[in-house]
Amino acid sequence: GNSVTQMEGPVTLSEEAFLTINCTYTATGYPSLFWYVQYPGEGLQLLLKATKADDKGSNKGFEATYRKETTSFHLEKGSVQVSDSAVYFCALTPGNQFYFGTGTSLTVIP
Amino acid sequence: EAGVAQSPRYKIIEKRQSVAFWCNPISGHATLYWYQQILGQGPKLLIQFQNNGVVDDSQLPKDRFSAERLKGVDSTLKIQPAKLEDSAVYLCASRRVNEKLFFGSGTQLSVL
Repeated sequence: GNSVTQMEGPVTLSEEAFLTINCTYTATGYPSLFWYVQYPGEGLQLLLKATKADDKGSNKGFEATYRKETTSFHLEKGSVQVSDSAVYFCALTPGNQFYFGTGTSLTVIP
Repeated sequence: EAGVAQSPRYKIIEKRQSVAFWCNPISGHATLYWYQQILGQGPKLLIQFQNNGVVDDSQLPKDRFSAERLKGVDSTLKIQPAKLEDSAVYLCASRRVNEKLFFGSGTQLSVL
């Protein structure tokens, strides 16, 4: 079946710290992988995506690389800001359906 | 472009009452999804529409939940009767075929 497992939170970092949020997946076929972000009081927004193995998705300083050999799609950012405080969801789609992880809450303190 | 619109934003009801949520997807988006997001969990698909037809409703508790998308545009999700465990945020999302998913802000339901 299809599923996503991401590291549990909450994660608390100081401003300018390095961020890694782990995500691994199980899928049939060759899924596309995504990171969605949910800011307080808002809906989920697409942060970045990768559609095939070794692709790197990037946006707003965040990056994630589609690793087929380790079935992973870890989210990284070199220097987090207070405004990055949100809940981050890893997701995959093998076609028309989306499967989401449980979310990782990130709080960045000044 | 305008986003996915959902209403109401919040709803508080007592168990065994009924409730309905409304979603207006982005214009031109043929695919519409309803997700249930329980606190501390990721969104779980309840039902997926392609235009006004149901593609997947395998995780919809059909004894109490129903959804429709008349004319392939707006959609409503209904719960009757509600249970305590239905307390969650109900998210509507839409997309064009094979394009990215856009989410509404959700309806937060509290069942007392």
